[in-house]
Amino acid sequence: EAQVTQNPRYLITVTGKKLTVTCSQNMNHEYMSWYRQDPGLGLRQIYYSMNVEVTDKGDVPEGYKVSRKEKRNFPLILESPSPNQTSLYFCASSLFGTAYYEQYFGPGTRLTVT
Amino acid sequence: KQEVTQIPAALSVPEGENLVLNCSFTDSAIYNLQWFRQDPGKGLTSLLLIQSSQREQTSGRLNASLDKSSGRSTLYIAASQPGDSATYLCAVSHWDNTNAGKSTFGDGTTLTVKP
Repeated sequence: EAQVTQNPRYLITVTGKKLTVTCSQNMNHEYMSWYRQDPGLGLRQIYYSMNVEVTDKGDVPEGYKVSRKEKRNFPLILESPSPNQTSLYFCASSLFGTAYYEQYFGPGTRLTVT
Repeated sequence: KQEVTQIPAALSVPEGENLVLNCSFTDSAIYNLQWFRQDPGKGLTSLLLIQSSQREQTSGRLNASLDKSSGRSTLYIAASQPGDSATYLCAVSHWDNTNAGKSTFGDGTTLTVKP
């Protein structure tokens, strides 16, 4: 089944403890992206990647890192999480970027930082 | 900076009614516009994608239109059903030199269809 998977789905952590949220897609998509969704602020793009070893900042990249060493994986790294990073995170992928093809979304990761 | 606005924020209609959701964007230099559905606590499901060169797309009871010059899109839902209750989001994407790969989402319209 074609899909985007995220792990973990739920995570509660403490301030400053490094964490990684994994994202994987099995559709051979070049483009992958991370978003966060907050009440009243909508979905905002954190980072995106047009292809392996190519990453770019979205609208809210502060406090996050990403890497794209393989086409299928695009992990989101929080080196020192803070409470303002408590949010619902979504990973998405698309074939040849968003220009011609629709984005497919993962199920989301609900992160709480205390 | 691109801004996407969706009006109304919430909408409640009786079952069977036809309805229109609105999406507007400030920068008309988009490459495509996509409509999504989000159920509570769930991820986003793609409904329709309209490329900038297109005027509309249809899928079943859904019809999305795009007027790029005026910065507007509408999602028309015919003969609404309680199962259509969800939040509907629109998103625009760019493919120009400075913004290639960027996507901007609206805040969504929460639709409730009453039996």
